[in-house]
Amino acid sequence: DVKVTQSSRYLVKRTGEKVFLECVQDMDHENMFWYRQDPGLGLRLIYFSYDVKMKEKGDIPEGYSVSREKKERFSLILESASTNQTSMYLCASSLWQDSGTQYFGPGTRLLVL
Amino acid sequence: GEDVEQSLFLSVREGDSSVINCTYTDSSSTYLYWYKQEPGAGLQLLTYIFSNMDMKQDQRLTVLLNKKDKHLSLRIADTQTGDSAIYFCAENLDTGRRALTFGSGTRLQVQP
Repeated sequence: DVKVTQSSRYLVKRTGEKVFLECVQDMDHENMFWYRQDPGLGLRLIYFSYDVKMKEKGDIPEGYSVSREKKERFSLILESASTNQTSMYLCASSLWQDSGTQYFGPGTRLLVL
Repeated sequence: GEDVEQSLFLSVREGDSSVINCTYTDSSSTYLYWYKQEPGAGLQLLTYIFSNMDMKQDQRLTVLLNKKDKHLSLRIADTQTGDSAIYFCAENLDTGRRALTFGSGTRLQVQP
């Protein structure tokens, strides 16, 4: 059974803190994605990666960075958390040749105070 | 540019059909998708349609695509309370970019 796991379901951080969100997939997928989900806005792509150490900016990369040192792991980093980064963060993965069939993790709900 | 739009909310009675609509603006889309998000969970792929098709049926689900009007719909027959969820349409542009563009999601509420 395919699986994408995220390190935390809920996280509370203070403004200015550095925040790490971890995502791991066990399907040997090449592509990995980070989205944020906000009510009425759907999912917006932050960053994606199509190979180890490769990354591309999505639609809203400002305030975020990512790291992909191993194929199965894709980390999202908030260098200095701000209140407008309070959101649900969803990680997904897919095969290189079938990028539309994405497998999602359960999400991390982040609250920045 | 690319933009995918959906109405935010739909309420139906159990046993009725549900129709969730989506419009998109970029005609270069090659595939269009429907994802479902149950409460407290991530998204899961329900079905997809290739842009040269106009209809696809999969058990209780029927996808209709009107490419001329850039309109996509998902019909759920005999809607059950377990169908209550948020439904997202998404497009995969033929640009080499490997990410989907999602709509805002339609929350389907099924009343017993």
